[in-house]
Amino acid sequence: DVKVTQSSRYLVKRTGEKVFLECVQDMDHENMFWYRQDPGLGLRLIYFSYDVKMKEKGDIPEGYSVSREKKERFSLILESASTNQTSMYLCASSTGGFEKLFFGSGTQLSVL
Amino acid sequence: QKEVEQDPGPLSVPEGAIVSLNCTYSNSAFQYFMWYRQYSRKGPELLMYTYSSGNKEDGRFTAQVDKSSKYISLFIRDSQPSDSATYLCAMSPFDYGNNRLAFGKGNQVVVIP
Repeated sequence: DVKVTQSSRYLVKRTGEKVFLECVQDMDHENMFWYRQDPGLGLRLIYFSYDVKMKEKGDIPEGYSVSREKKERFSLILESASTNQTSMYLCASSTGGFEKLFFGSGTQLSVL
Repeated sequence: QKEVEQDPGPLSVPEGAIVSLNCTYSNSAFQYFMWYRQYSRKGPELLMYTYSSGNKEDGRFTAQVDKSSKYISLFIRDSQPSDSATYLCAMSPFDYGNNRLAFGKGNQVVVIP
């Protein structure tokens, strides 16, 4: 069965901390994505990557960076966490083109 | 105007009823239309996928696309408590090379036994 695994289900951090969210997929997909999901705002794309070491900004990249050193792993980095980054973070992957996104179960991040 | 509009609900229906969900959109370039289902505390999963206008049926689920009205619908027949979830519409243009999807905000559905 296909799988996108996010390293943490719940995470609590302090403002100013550097936060790493990890995502691993076992489907050999080229594309990987980071979204955040907030009530009333829906899913918003933060960053995506279409190949190893390649990345592109999504709609809300400010305050975030990403790393993709291996095809199966895509990391989201909050350089200095702030309270407005409290959210559900969802990682997804897909093959090239318009194939369906496979999502992980999400990481609920609380920044205090 | 938002690219994709979806009434967030929530929508409560008795078991066995027909559930009707819809999204409107403004970008006439959209060609690919999807519905994702998201259970509580889980990531979304693809439910239905259609290209251009028309209907597509999969078991109790029917997806309709009316490009002339920029309107898509999802119907769930004989609804079950296990259909209780949030349903998100998503769409993409034909030649959008960076694989971005435009999502609706999601519509929460509760099927009451």
